[in-house]
Amino acid sequence: EAGVAQSPRYKIIEKRQSVAFWCNPISGHATLYWYQQILGQGPKLLIQFQNNGVVDDSQLPKDRFSAERLKGVDSTLKIQPAKLEDSAVYLCASAQSVNTEAFFGQGTRLTVV
Amino acid sequence: QQQVKQSPQSLIVQKGGISIINCAYENTAFDYFPWYQQFPGKGPALLIAIRPDVSEKKEGRFTISFNKSAKQFSLHIMDSQPGDSATYFCAVRTTSGTYKYIFGTGTRLKVLA
Repeated sequence: EAGVAQSPRYKIIEKRQSVAFWCNPISGHATLYWYQQILGQGPKLLIQFQNNGVVDDSQLPKDRFSAERLKGVDSTLKIQPAKLEDSAVYLCASAQSVNTEAFFGQGTRLTVV
Repeated sequence: QQQVKQSPQSLIVQKGGISIINCAYENTAFDYFPWYQQFPGKGPALLIAIRPDVSEKKEGRFTISFNKSAKQFSLHIMDSQPGDSATYFCAVRTTSGTYKYIFGTGTRLKVLA
């Protein structure tokens, strides 16, 4: 069974630039999560989708971050404009439903300089 | 923001020894307590998990002990091996509102050969 796919693996951008990350969840998984993992910390939930609807985006900095999950499959997370403190690993995870095990992708390491 | 406190921050164990990592949480609206293992450059992977209706769960060399009244749970790694060297995260899954995972701050384990 293929896992959660994310791209790119690494990205370096200058502050105030924009960046987008892509996630392809495990086939058939209705729930999709985006987490931010700052170096030395645990993952922090940014947004959670159930199919193509947003379930929780309470910790998403909506002035600069946006996410969508068109057609309830792939998802993109965008940052515009980026700040230095956005440097982190962005993890995508998926689950069959909201109360089942979540599987994580390898993440995208973002460095903002 | 609900808190999950994890300790120690780092741990060094001799090969064959027992590694113990502890987590404490602050409220009772959680229904699932997983531990994740993360190797450098990889996403977190589910290691073992427990539900609050049992006090202990064992899978091979890994055991979770759960103390509901104290709001604490711990991971025990028996016969620790160099291949266990990784960062371990505890997590709790909320049941109030939406189901979502809140992670601890992580424990970096190093097992000496």
